[in-house]
Amino acid sequence: ELKVEQNPLFLSMQEGKNYTIYCNYSTTSDRLYWYRQDPGKSLESLFVLLSNGAVKQEGRLMASLDTKARLSTLHITAAVHDLSATYFCAVDSSGTYKYIFGTGTRLKVLA
Amino acid sequence: NAGVTQTPKFRILKIGQSMTLQCTQDMNHNYMYWYRQDPGMGLKLIYYSVGAGITDKGEVPNGYNVSRSTTEDFPLRLELAAPSQTSVYFCASSWGGPPGAQYFGPGTRLLVL
Repeated sequence: ELKVEQNPLFLSMQEGKNYTIYCNYSTTSDRLYWYRQDPGKSLESLFVLLSNGAVKQEGRLMASLDTKARLSTLHITAAVHDLSATYFCAVDSSGTYKYIFGTGTRLKVLA
Repeated sequence: NAGVTQTPKFRILKIGQSMTLQCTQDMNHNYMYWYRQDPGMGLKLIYYSVGAGITDKGEVPNGYNVSRSTTEDFPLRLELAAPSQTSVYFCASSWGGPPGAQYFGPGTRLLVL
């Protein structure tokens, strides 16, 4: 059974600082997705990582995937308040397009 | 394109009542999904469908039923509502092939009392 774990669960950081969110998963998968959820809102897609070594960047966020280590990271550079949200990773279970979500990381960026 | 739409936005049910949550997508996606999100938690997959007439269970299917008679619609049926089904329900859709990112609806907030 595929399990997806994120850490940390909560992250409070100062504006301008860097930090990394980790997503570990338990079985082989070549597809990993990152989503953002604002409070009381739905989820929106941030990154799609489809192969080992994939790296995607958008603004202050950069995501990477290491399928051998079963690990994805979401790196935040010089955080700003607008990045405050909950971030989820999701893994495709054995290439079935059946997705299992991580527990989420609630990020709060303090001015 | 409206994307993924869900109705209703909010509903209060009494224990034992039944209801159907509606989900429609206009992107011609083959794959559709239902998730529930409990407060402060991640998403749990309830059911998903890979095409009209084909559905399968997810992580937490008990107490729910689905049907997929058309590509566009994927309703979720709650039978005999229980307080444990209080949650926010999200419908999502995707192409079913790479890249595979999901598009989510706005959600339905359900309160069972």
